[in-house]
Amino acid sequence: QQQVKQSPQSLIVQKGGISIINCAYENTAFDYFPWYQQFPGKGPALLIAIRPDVSEKKEGRFTISFNKSAKQFSLHIMDSQPGDSATYFCAATFQGAQKLVFGQGTRLTINP
Amino acid sequence: DAGVIQSPRHEVTEMGQEVTLRCKPISGHNSLFWYRQTMMRGLELLIYFNNNVPIDDSGMPEDRFSAKMPNASFSTLKIQPSEPRDSAVYFCASSGGQVHTDTQYFGPGTRLTVL
Repeated sequence: QQQVKQSPQSLIVQKGGISIINCAYENTAFDYFPWYQQFPGKGPALLIAIRPDVSEKKEGRFTISFNKSAKQFSLHIMDSQPGDSATYFCAATFQGAQKLVFGQGTRLTINP
Repeated sequence: DAGVIQSPRHEVTEMGQEVTLRCKPISGHNSLFWYRQTMMRGLELLIYFNNNVPIDDSGMPEDRFSAKMPNASFSTLKIQPSEPRDSAVYFCASSGGQVHTDTQYFGPGTRLTVL
């Protein structure tokens, strides 16, 4: 019940295309859903986050879509660029605990 | 700001040896987290501290692992004795508060290889 399932494991997108990564969770106590971006040899870094009281959050080319009833959320990267090539992790946590539960990660490659 | 500092960046040791990983959180941050990243298990939280006090150590694999935070600017993760299955990248992260929505800032990690 603590798991966050992420798909796909890897994704290849052409430059300028839309990258979509999906996550699903079971624990309804989760109330904060961040996405982290990790470049090779670096630690993960927060990219964007959402709370379930909104269905969408947009920051530049990055958008999180949230479907509370389906317990699913997704990251959309518009106009994908080669510099977006990285591993992306969705995560979840809940009030009273600072423990982040991470998805398995998606390795994104943007072809020029 | 220097960010979270971890040392060493790479560690190669032999099975049975003691390994100590070190972390300096961002100045002023009062929460510190230790994570382990492997291909098989992904990113998993081992333990976290608030104001130098361990809050949740349910992710610590077994008694061979121990973590301490003697002061606000230093933490260690020790493995004794080390085993090949401990090979992973270990990340330290810190956050400025104790609310679950506070951003966790990750260090560059320590890549541990146990032969």
